[in-house]
Amino acid sequence: AQSVTQLGSHVSVSEGALVLLRCNYSSSVPPYLFWYVQYPNQGLQLLLKYTSAATLVKGINGFEAEFKKSETSFHLTKPSAHMSDAAEYFCAVLTDSWGKLQFGAGTQVVVTP
Amino acid sequence: NAGVTQTPKFQVLKTGQSMTLQCAQDMNHNSMYWYRQDPGMGLRLIYYSASEGTTDKGEVPNGYNVSRLNKREFSLRLESAAPSQTSVYFCASSETGDSEAFFGQGTRLTVV
Repeated sequence: AQSVTQLGSHVSVSEGALVLLRCNYSSSVPPYLFWYVQYPNQGLQLLLKYTSAATLVKGINGFEAEFKKSETSFHLTKPSAHMSDAAEYFCAVLTDSWGKLQFGAGTQVVVTP
Repeated sequence: NAGVTQTPKFQVLKTGQSMTLQCAQDMNHNSMYWYRQDPGMGLRLIYYSASEGTTDKGEVPNGYNVSRLNKREFSLRLESAAPSQTSVYFCASSETGDSEAFFGQGTRLTVV
């Protein structure tokens, strides 16, 4: 069964500093992986997705993620944090062909001036 | 550009009451989903519908029922609400099984 684990429920970064959010997956088949962002009192919005086309995936708002099969990881990064990046971030893996997603517990990002 | 619309946005129920959460999408998507979000647990799938006329259980279906009324609409019903069903509920849709899922704004439900 596919699953994801997000390391760190809360991350605090300074404005302008690197954002690094960690996600490790477990899958018996090549996975489809996603990062979603949730702003306060909003639904989830797709940041980026990995579908085996390229290991480095670029998303919206300057975020990118690198798929590393040897480490079973799909960490999300952004070189320079902005105040507007304060949100909760979820890593997810596609569990079957019907589109069912298994989500990680989420990482809350706080950006300090 | 409505996308996925959920109603209501907020609801307070007493234990034992019933209610239906409504969801509609205007993107002509085949698949629709209901998730619940609880602190520290991410989102968990309650039910999904791969196409009009079909529904199936997800990870946490107990206490819920669903109806795929047509291609646009997918409702979630709580027959006898319990405090453990206090949560934020999200409806989502996708065109195919491996395409991006689009989420509604959520329904914040409190059962007292």
